Amino acid sequence: GNSVTQMEGPVTLSEEAFLTINCTYTATGYPSLFWYVQYPGEGLQLLLKATKADDKGSNKGFEATYRKETTSFHLEKGSVQVSDSAVYFCALTRLTGGGNKLTFGTGTQLKVEL
Amino acid sequence: EPEVTQTPSHQVTQMGQEVILRCVPISNHLYFYWYRQILGQKVEFLVSFYNNEISEKSEIFDDQFSVERPDGSNFTLKIRSTKLEDSAMYFCASSDWDRGFHEQYFGPGTRLTVT
Repeated sequence: GNSVTQMEGPVTLSEEAFLTINCTYTATGYPSLFWYVQYPGEGLQLLLKATKADDKGSNKGFEATYRKETTSFHLEKGSVQVSDSAVYFCALTRLTGGGNKLTFGTGTQLKVEL
Repeated sequence: EPEVTQTPSHQVTQMGQEVILRCVPISNHLYFYWYRQILGQKVEFLVSFYNNEISEKSEIFDDQFSVERPDGSNFTLKIRSTKLEDSAMYFCASSDWDRGFHEQYFGPGTRLTVT
């Protein structure tokens, strides 16, 4: 079946540091890939997505590239801010025309300090 | 901006009791979902719901679970006889169809504690 593996946290960085959160997946066919973010006390929000190989999703300075050859979708940001502190979830889905269930990784907590 | 809401934010119940978790999806959405996250584990899909019926469910979603859209605005998850292992954060989500892609909008979650 489908699965997502992401690096364990918490990840603690200083402000303006470079961020990488690793995500790899196992899936049949050609899944779509996502990063969701959860700020304290809030629901999961879609951060970025990529629907086919070599696509790069980007939003709010974050980016991730769909690498089919390595089955990866690593999240990166060049300069993190304190406000980026949150839990980040990598996820995939197979778009089948109807409601599409998401398969999530365990989440990685990011703490950014001054 | 429209958002998914969930009540209560925290529910404590005794083992064997019935609980109902409530969600109000975004008003023009057609697809509804429940997920759960046991502490320290992955967010897991439970069930999806469309056109007043379940469209897909996971192995977790056994006979103890049911969903309902009773009045066109609420979307509920009922657990008939709770077990200790049902303790988790439960997330509701809703989505619509937009150019071949459903973005699922999530609520803030209900933390269920079974004692």
